[in-house]
Amino acid sequence: ETGVTQTPRHLVMGMTNKKSLKCEQHLGHNAMYWYKQSAKKPLELMFVYSLEERVENNSVPSRFSPECPNSSHLFLHLHTLQPEDSALYLCASSQEYPRGTDTQYFGPGTRLTVL
Amino acid sequence: GQNIDQPTEMTATEGAIVQINCTYQTSGFNGLFWYQQHAGEAPTFLSYNVLDGLEEKGRFSSFLSRSKGYSYLLLKELQMKDSASYLCAVQEGGYNKLIFGAGTRLAVHP
Repeated sequence: ETGVTQTPRHLVMGMTNKKSLKCEQHLGHNAMYWYKQSAKKPLELMFVYSLEERVENNSVPSRFSPECPNSSHLFLHLHTLQPEDSALYLCASSQEYPRGTDTQYFGPGTRLTVL
Repeated sequence: GQNIDQPTEMTATEGAIVQINCTYQTSGFNGLFWYQQHAGEAPTFLSYNVLDGLEEKGRFSSFLSRSKGYSYLLLKELQMKDSASYLCAVQEGGYNKLIFGAGTRLAVHP
């Protein structure tokens, strides 16, 4: 596997379900990101992890819970979601240190539908 | 506040040149990125500008004027496969935080 991978690619869940999205990067990066992309809206940054520590939580509701067990893996745990949470969830990674300005590379995304 | 504006849609003809504009107002600026995103796929990196001027990369070029808060992406010799959304994103500062515009959907016609 190369680049940034995400599983599952598609997910349909009810509002009472609990599910997790997985992201894995094979680029040797040390920063990872979760974004939400809704129809006709800009990509919204949700969370940033740098060196496995969460450094940004962009006012995201607590029904979204990120986890970064190591620099290659990032999870987004979902519980009691709302229909308006249906969107494309994109993971990205970059080399944060030492330069701090490197390009973010994106995974293919998980298309989430909440019924 | 933070604001990144780009046209919602554009159309162009195969073989032609198209310029996609982006204006921004952000609280910080460490650079500007352009990404291409085909429907249902991941955004892919096209270009990065941090200094004023033009960066050329094959058929694609990107220009930045920091004093005007303005950038454009120039696509030459358009091909059908260039039909996609083009996302302008400003790197605001700290922890490589990117603020994205809503994207410009480009349709290339024969």
